[in-house]
Amino acid sequence: ETGVTQTPRHLVMGMTNKKSLKCEQHLGHNAMYWYKQSAKKPLELMFVYNFKEQTENNSVPSRFSPECPNSSHLFLHLHTLQPEDSALYLCASSQDLTATNYGYTFGSGTRLTVV
Amino acid sequence: GENVEQHPSTLSVQEGDSAVIKCTYSDSASNYFPWYKQELGKRPQLIIDIRSNVGEKKDQRIAVTLNKTAKHFSLHITETQPEDSAVYFCAASTNNNNDMRFGAGTRLTVKP
Repeated sequence: ETGVTQTPRHLVMGMTNKKSLKCEQHLGHNAMYWYKQSAKKPLELMFVYNFKEQTENNSVPSRFSPECPNSSHLFLHLHTLQPEDSALYLCASSQDLTATNYGYTFGSGTRLTVV
Repeated sequence: GENVEQHPSTLSVQEGDSAVIKCTYSDSASNYFPWYKQELGKRPQLIIDIRSNVGEKKDQRIAVTLNKTAKHFSLHITETQPEDSAVYFCAASTNNNNDMRFGAGTRLTVKP
């Protein structure tokens, strides 16, 4: 384990369901991120939190709702998703928002399938 | 915003050969360029990074070169081994991780 834990690892949900993805880090990092990884596409930045404050919402549809109750935990609440939302959702953390650190530490991801 | 392009999308080499993956970026303000390796079913992991104040960095069999004028950077793996098989992602950002942008990835296969 690298210190960033995501649960669940796999999730299958219907389009009318409501579910949440969880990310937890014990690295003492202050910045956390949600990325979407689809096949043959670049990693897509979704949300950025720094010291619990959202600093970036990369034009993500409102059916994705992030929550960051503290610097160690990050959630992604899902509701009324579409099949095209099926992807691997990766959480990452970094010391802060500056690039003078050592890059991101990624979680293992949640493989989401919307049926 | 930043746009990162990565080539090739797939690369197959024989064990012991070298592999080169190239990325270009659009934002001349970008000054941090990490490379991540993602093995099948696993998380992306940082393997090497370079900052704009240097042109080359090496770590054992892995090296990264940066040409700021041409806005491209490359990953070089020498003496490839089967365990190097993975998807490799390049990325670029300025001093703010808000704008970290990734390439689409290169699937490297090293044949024994």
